[in-house]
Amino acid sequence: DAGVIQSPRHEVTEMGQEVTLRCKPISGHNSLFWYRQTMMRGLELLIYFNNNVPIDDSGMPEDRFSAKMPNASFSTLKIQPSEPRDSAVYFCASSLGTPVSGANVLTFGAGSRLTVL
Amino acid sequence: AQSVTQLDSQVPVFEEAPVELRCNYSSSVSVYLFWYVQYPNQGLQLLLKYLSGSTLVKGINGFEAEFNKSQTSFHLRKPSVHISDTAEYFCAVSDQQAGTALIFGKGTTLSVSS
Repeated sequence: DAGVIQSPRHEVTEMGQEVTLRCKPISGHNSLFWYRQTMMRGLELLIYFNNNVPIDDSGMPEDRFSAKMPNASFSTLKIQPSEPRDSAVYFCASSLGTPVSGANVLTFGAGSRLTVL
Repeated sequence: AQSVTQLDSQVPVFEEAPVELRCNYSSSVSVYLFWYVQYPNQGLQLLLKYLSGSTLVKGINGFEAEFNKSQTSFHLRKPSVHISDTAEYFCAVSDQQAGTALIFGKGTTLSVSS
């Protein structure tokens, strides 16, 4: 398996533009997580899906952020409109099972580095 | 809700010296505990995890961690570090019953020099 695949790896955009980040989880994994990493706040959970259903989206900063998982092999994180404070590295991770089972061995993608000018 | 505090943001050490990276957590319920490592420009990789049983957990690359429930700590140790251990290390916690996703600490940068 190629692991968790994220695209794009780097994105530079201007304030106000729409940004879409993409993630392909490991085949067979049924939980998917979006995290954001910044120097100031570290790694923050944005949203968590299980079997394509959003379970916890309490970390989504505001209405400008939205995430979807239309099927088991694809998820998107969209920011519209983007702002400079959204600049960060966005990680997607997947796992087999749910957190309550202790199966929280997350496999992370390489991340998408977003810069909003 | 859980939280994780990594007490040192940066730890510089010399090659072949021992190292301890400290992690304390806060939770009113039983937890699962994890250490992940992030090499430059990469995603995080699992080092080790504590789910239950023995409080001393061994992981990859010679690392180990000890769960101390009374002190709510899960410190990471290695008796002799290598240059290649230079990376950022993250402690993480999740609630056993509620099934929350992992909550990460802010990370500790380990810098190993010769």
